[in-house]
Amino acid sequence: SQTIHQWPATLVQPVGSPLSLECTVEGTSNPNLYWYRQAAGRGLQLLFYSVGIGQISSEVPQNLSASRPQDRQFILSSKKLLLSDSGFYLCAWSHPGLAGRPNEQFFGPGTRLTVL
Amino acid sequence: GDSVTQMEGPVTLSEEAFLTINCTYTATGYPSLFWYVQYPGEGLQLLLKATKADDKGSNKGFEATYRKETTSFHLEKGSVQVSDSAVYFCALARGVLSAGNKLTFGGGTRVLVKP
Repeated sequence: SQTIHQWPATLVQPVGSPLSLECTVEGTSNPNLYWYRQAAGRGLQLLFYSVGIGQISSEVPQNLSASRPQDRQFILSSKKLLLSDSGFYLCAWSHPGLAGRPNEQFFGPGTRLTVL
Repeated sequence: GDSVTQMEGPVTLSEEAFLTINCTYTATGYPSLFWYVQYPGEGLQLLLKATKADDKGSNKGFEATYRKETTSFHLEKGSVQVSDSAVYFCALARGVLSAGNKLTFGGGTRVLVKP
């Protein structure tokens, strides 16, 4: 069976510090990978997605970046955190699917980031 | 562009009450529709899905029917429990491979079930 891991589970960082959040998927190959952010009491905002190693698509301009150095590893980074980067970060994966026949996404447990 | 609209919460119910969460969508073609549930402090879990018109998704006593004519996918449960307290997200996907099979989410509906 497939599993998705995220770490750390919680993180408190000062403004201006760097960030690295990691997500790994087990039990599947060539998944689509996604990073979402959920601000307190708000919905989900898609930040990045990737359909293959080294391929990253950005959905919103921001001071965050993503990388996919391996097939089942997805990293979210920042060089300098802002207060507005606080939130709950969720990683997700899906099978690539077929055109017009999308597959569901499976979510990790999330990382709660507080920027002070 | 694609969009999903959910009723705003919070929805507060007593145990064993009937729950309905409305969801309507705007999308071209024939999207697949999903309901996800998020328990406090956790990630999202797929609750149910439907891939074509008139399909009924069901799981854990929850049901939703894909209504193409009304572009709706309302979630229902006949008798809720305290453990159903969570945030519920409606979502759609059109399976555009060039766009990574992205999901479009509604804003979420918080449900609180009181004993």
